[in-house]
Amino acid sequence: EPEVTQTPSHQVTQMGQEVILRCVPISNHLYFYWYRQILGQKVEFLVSFYNNEISEKSEIFDDQFSVERPDGSNFTLKIRSTKLEDSAMYFCASSEDSEIYGYTFGSGTRLTVV
Amino acid sequence: GDSVTQMEGPVTLSEEAFLTINCTYTATGYPSLFWYVQYPGEGLQLLLKATKADDKGSNKGFEATYRKETTSFHLEKGSVQVSDSAVYFCALSGTSYDKVIFGPGTSLSVIP
Repeated sequence: EPEVTQTPSHQVTQMGQEVILRCVPISNHLYFYWYRQILGQKVEFLVSFYNNEISEKSEIFDDQFSVERPDGSNFTLKIRSTKLEDSAMYFCASSEDSEIYGYTFGSGTRLTVV
Repeated sequence: GDSVTQMEGPVTLSEEAFLTINCTYTATGYPSLFWYVQYPGEGLQLLLKATKADDKGSNKGFEATYRKETTSFHLEKGSVQVSDSAVYFCALSGTSYDKVIFGPGTSLSVIP
């Protein structure tokens, strides 16, 4: 069964450093998403991406965040200057049509900011 | 805006007990509804879905019926197993590219 692949599985970074979280969506999917889950808490929407541009973003997705699809297969989330409160699980998801099929999620990247 | 409410738990059941996790939603229009499951230390997996009123989604012995009149999508299973221990998220999606909105999750522990 096709999978969404995320790397790394765990990243530790110092406060103020930049991090890039990587995702390889399912190849025929057109819609891409980033979510985060602070430990034990709600799954929060960050951003959706379609046709090489952001289609929607949440209030969490401020200027320190950016997304990119640099080569037609990877989908990256960059956090420019990490804060302690950015520590969370970050999930990438892709979909052919979320209304019909829902998302396929990756297994997540655990980001720890120290 | 659109939102999902679900019983927060934690829920603890004995093996073979009947499970119900309540979920209600608020949405404009007619969203699709989903249940996702997150096993310990893992990502989110789609458990079942329903795309229109009165649809019943089912998978792995779990089922949920889309009730437009009560704006509900309660998850049920007739006989839970220890391996069902996980966090269950009710969710909705409004359009083809719209974000999926998640409820807060319900933690289920099944004891032998």
